[in-house]
Amino acid sequence: DTGVSQDPRHKITKRGQNVTFRCDPISEHNRLYWYRQTLGQGPEFLTYFQNEAQLEKSRLLSDRFSAERPKGSFSTLEIQRTEQGDSAMYLCASSPEAGTDTQYFGPGTRLTVL
Amino acid sequence: GEDVEQSLFLSVREGDSSVINCTYTDSSSTYLYWYKQEPGAGLQLLTYIFSNMDMKQDQRLTVLLNKKDKHLSLRIADTQTGDSAIYFCAESRRDNYGQNFVFGPGTRLSVLP
Repeated sequence: DTGVSQDPRHKITKRGQNVTFRCDPISEHNRLYWYRQTLGQGPEFLTYFQNEAQLEKSRLLSDRFSAERPKGSFSTLEIQRTEQGDSAMYLCASSPEAGTDTQYFGPGTRLTVL
Repeated sequence: GEDVEQSLFLSVREGDSSVINCTYTDSSSTYLYWYKQEPGAGLQLLTYIFSNMDMKQDQRLTVLLNKKDKHLSLRIADTQTGDSAIYFCAESRRDNYGQNFVFGPGTRLSVLP
């Protein structure tokens, strides 16, 4: 297994468009997380799944953001009607269900909204 | 406040020890972590410590936890130029809204030759 992968690595879009990102976690990891990271900041938690169930969603998360993990494997994060403030690096991480909550991160998808 | 705090910058000379500090807010945090992020790369887990421990050593890395003061530190012995990166402290906590994971703003470590 090569770790957590994310696609695309870069996305440039115009304001008002919808975008969708994909994350493939480490196989057999039950938990999957989405974060957003802006320049000079640490990752900001967005949401997480245990298997296919979305267990937590940041109360800071706009209704324009939605995430799915339909079969408990890969996940998608969609942003509708993008705004310039959505420009950031979107990170995905996964962890096994039991143990230390240790999360393994993917390389991220860098979103630029023009 | 609710934030995890870190000093933003640290410069050390190659071969010296680096100490990166972090303060967190939630005494019920179960695990505390240190991640490393190199330019253009994702976050790499360096080490973690369970909240009932006060020290953990792993090769050149030593983590110290003072639970009373909610203070966490990462010491890197014999710092090398390859250690130049941003180091993030993070905590796994439960609050009224459920499980949450909070990262600090990161400390940019510069290693001078």
